[in-house]
Amino acid sequence: GAGVSQSPSNKVTEKGKDVELRCDPISGHTALYWYRQSLGQGLEFLIYFQGNSAPDKSGLPSDRFSAERTGGSVSTLTIQRTQQEDSAVYLCASSLAGTSGLKEQFFGPGTRLTVL
Amino acid sequence: AQTVTQSQPEMSVQEAETVTLSCTYDTSESNYYLFWYKQPPSRQMILVIRQEAYKQQNATENRFSVNFQKAAKSFSLKISDSQLGDTAMYFCAFIPYTGANSKLTFGKGITLSVRP
Repeated sequence: GAGVSQSPSNKVTEKGKDVELRCDPISGHTALYWYRQSLGQGLEFLIYFQGNSAPDKSGLPSDRFSAERTGGSVSTLTIQRTQQEDSAVYLCASSLAGTSGLKEQFFGPGTRLTVL
Repeated sequence: AQTVTQSQPEMSVQEAETVTLSCTYDTSESNYYLFWYKQPPSRQMILVIRQEAYKQQNATENRFSVNFQKAAKSFSLKISDSQLGDTAMYFCAFIPYTGANSKLTFGKGITLSVRP
């Protein structure tokens, strides 16, 4: 596709259930980022994948959060045993890779997660 | 660590008028990039304008321009001839120059309403 796509667009779940959020980056983009946007807050970094390197997981808020990226393309963010404070919009972004210069991050439309 | 502060939660402007959105940041980095992103109700983050810290000249993109004051660590966005389509949340963001694929650090955003 032309841009970053995310699914589902909206997800409502019950507290304690697991959820999976999907991100499909722009073709050819080897860098992929997950951010969380909570109500009244800015975007908070969660995790970053770059090619075959070990991901930067420094932003994951707890061990209930995990992410994987299969085949260097599609990524799945998994939240186990969801809590109400996990309710937020989860945004994915991708960019080209390189060691010099700025690589602009292109964002998907996000998944709005509501935990009841 | 970097921080980005947007102290105005909301602003309103009459159509065709000019509005300025404020942003301050804190960093020990000497080279970095600053951005303004627009997020309309569709949730799609759109890059409005960016500024390289090593450039003294303020960036401009059509009706959008910035006032970059490096010493004061200030980065404001001016929107001229405001249009109804400018109604959105606006986020200020920072990324260090080193490690071109580093994560973006965002402010909390400002909700801009353009009145007809």
